[in-house]
Amino acid sequence: AQTVTQSQPEMSVQEAETVTLSCTYDTSESDYYLFWYKQPPSRQMILVIRQEAYKQQNATENRFSVNFQKAAKSFSLKISDSQLGDAAMYFCAYRSSNSNSGYALNFGKGTSLLVTP
Amino acid sequence: ETGVTQSPTHLIKTRGQQVTLRCSSQSGHNTVSWYQQALGQGPQFIFQYYREEENGRGNFPPRFSGLQFPNYSSELNVNALELDDSALYLCASSFERSSGNTIYFGEGSWLTVV
Repeated sequence: AQTVTQSQPEMSVQEAETVTLSCTYDTSESDYYLFWYKQPPSRQMILVIRQEAYKQQNATENRFSVNFQKAAKSFSLKISDSQLGDAAMYFCAYRSSNSNSGYALNFGKGTSLLVTP
Repeated sequence: ETGVTQSPTHLIKTRGQQVTLRCSSQSGHNTVSWYQQALGQGPQFIFQYYREEENGRGNFPPRFSGLQFPNYSSELNVNALELDDSALYLCASSFERSSGNTIYFGEGSWLTVV
């Protein structure tokens, strides 16, 4: 089974600053998808950004961007111009392209992001 | 709002009892997955249903079972509840069972087993 590791249990950033959340994963597959999900106190998982492994270009969604290093199996999330509403748990997730997995999402343990005024 | 709704929001059960959690998927979505999220952990995949059949299962015992109905809504049933079953149970839906499709989550059902 693929393992997703988030080595930062907690991170803190000042409003308007930039923060990077780390994620590494272990897989022997060449085709897969990677995701960052945000989970605010309401507990609903919200998709932040996704990356297809076959694409070399890093995904970007407004203030959110990723640094995808396939050879290093690294997938970090950069949040620019941080806002108070960005405070939440952030989960990195891996999804295999192999149908035998049921296309399950494998999540890391999460990083709690605190945004200070 | 993702259009995925779950019920009940919170419930308390006694060890040994059975529980049923319900999920209505987003309109047009025929694939439903269930995840268990223990406190302080990431969600763990329980199983997935596609067009009323289970087509993927995580490392959970058989006392975790499910159903998907013709309208693609779903139920998660847990028998012989144990204290460790206390968790947030998340339902997620997507259109077709493709790895590239976006998965939308509901707000979850909080289960406490005492």
